Parts: sequence; C-alpha cells; structure tokens
Amino acid sequence: SAVISQKPSRDICQRGTSLTIQCQVDSQVTMMFWYRQQPGQSLTLIATANQGSEATYESGFVIDKFPISRPNLTFSTLTVSNLSPEDSSIYLCSAVQGEKAAFFGQGTRLTVV
Amino acid sequence: AQRVTQPEKLLSVFKGAPVELKCNYSYSGSPELFWYVQYSRQRLQLLLRHISRESIKGFTADLNKGETSFHLKKPFAQEEDSAMYYCALSNFNKFYFGSGTKLNVKP
Repeated sequence: SAVISQKPSRDICQRGTSLTIQCQVDSQVTMMFWYRQQPGQSLTLIATANQGSEATYESGFVIDKFPISRPNLTFSTLTVSNLSPEDSSIYLCSAVQGEKAAFFGQGTRLTVV
Repeated sequence: AQRVTQPEKLLSVFKGAPVELKCNYSYSGSPELFWYVQYSRQRLQLLLRHISRESIKGFTADLNKGETSFHLKKPFAQEEDSAMYYCALSNFNKFYFGSGTKLNVKP
C-alpha cells in the first residue's frame, strides 16, 4: 500500500513564527487530509486538502491560521502560522486511495517556545 | 453531527485474558467504522474496518446499529497487543476519531 512521508518529523519554533509541514505520498491518492493531535487528546480533523483549489476547513479552523496547499495528487503542505504555545501538537497528514481506508504519515511533533 | 466515544482511557489485562475495547458512535447516516492502532513509536495504522468483516491479529469488531456500538474484541490478549487503539467513523472519507484507549497487556 502507499506510504506517506512527512517532513520535518519534529521542530521547535519561536512564538510568532510559522512552520510549514510537507506531506509526500509515493503514489496518487484520491484525497488528502490534515489532522492535529494535541497532547493527551485524540486526532482532530483540520481540513481536506483539495488539489488545485482552496482547502475545506472544519469548524474551528481557518485558512489564515492553517494555510494548506495541494498542487498535485501526491503532495500537500500545511503551514501553522503565527505560532503560540497552544499550537504545540502533533500534526498528521492522511490520504485515501479509492475505497481503501485512510492511511497516515508518521506525524510532525511541533513545540512552540 | 458525527461523534465517536471511547469511554475507557486505559485498559489493563493479563496475557491470555479476553479484551473488549468499547466504542459508541452517533451518526445520522449509515456509518462506516474502523479501528486504528498505534504501537509505540510507530505511525497510526488500520487494524480493521466493519465492512470487511475480517479478523486481524485475532481481533474482531461487530457493528451493532441498534446499540450504535463497534466494540473491538480479542479472546486471548498477547503482550504485543499493548498499544493505543482508536475507533473512527468515516463520513465521505473524512475520519472522525474517538479519544483512544490505551491497552496494556501484562505478562
């Protein structure tokens, strides 16, 4: 089955800066998603990354804070902007191929100081 | 709106004992349900999905629409089953996860 690679795997960032996370799938996928997993909590869907158009955001998440790009069928980026300590989380990329279940990247652990 | 509830944060059992990880859901349509597992230092991976009706690593899960449940069961737990387990519901390929249950299988 397809494999997702996420970069970076972890980062420590200063308040007020931004971090861009890259997600690369080794084969074409139907859909790509971004999730957040805050410490001790479950995964929360941030948005659906749409190829060639604006992402579709879930309630509570906005484009200004979490701009997303998906230029083709195998690649997407998530930027977390204007970082604050509350943004410290694990961010996960996910993808779906056809009728198969979602599969996940290894995650990016972000710490904001 | 969809919601997935896993009432137990931690479940500890002895090796060889039966295991049941509870999952309840609320969803207005016809749900597609999954169990995902995350072993230590590994990525989240699919364990099983209800439409497959299969048994993976000895685990099974039956969708009970009357009770809106999708509990995960294994008759004899093994130490290597120790992991974090997430129940998830799919809505047009968007996945909504429960809070997870940590299974600890003691020797």
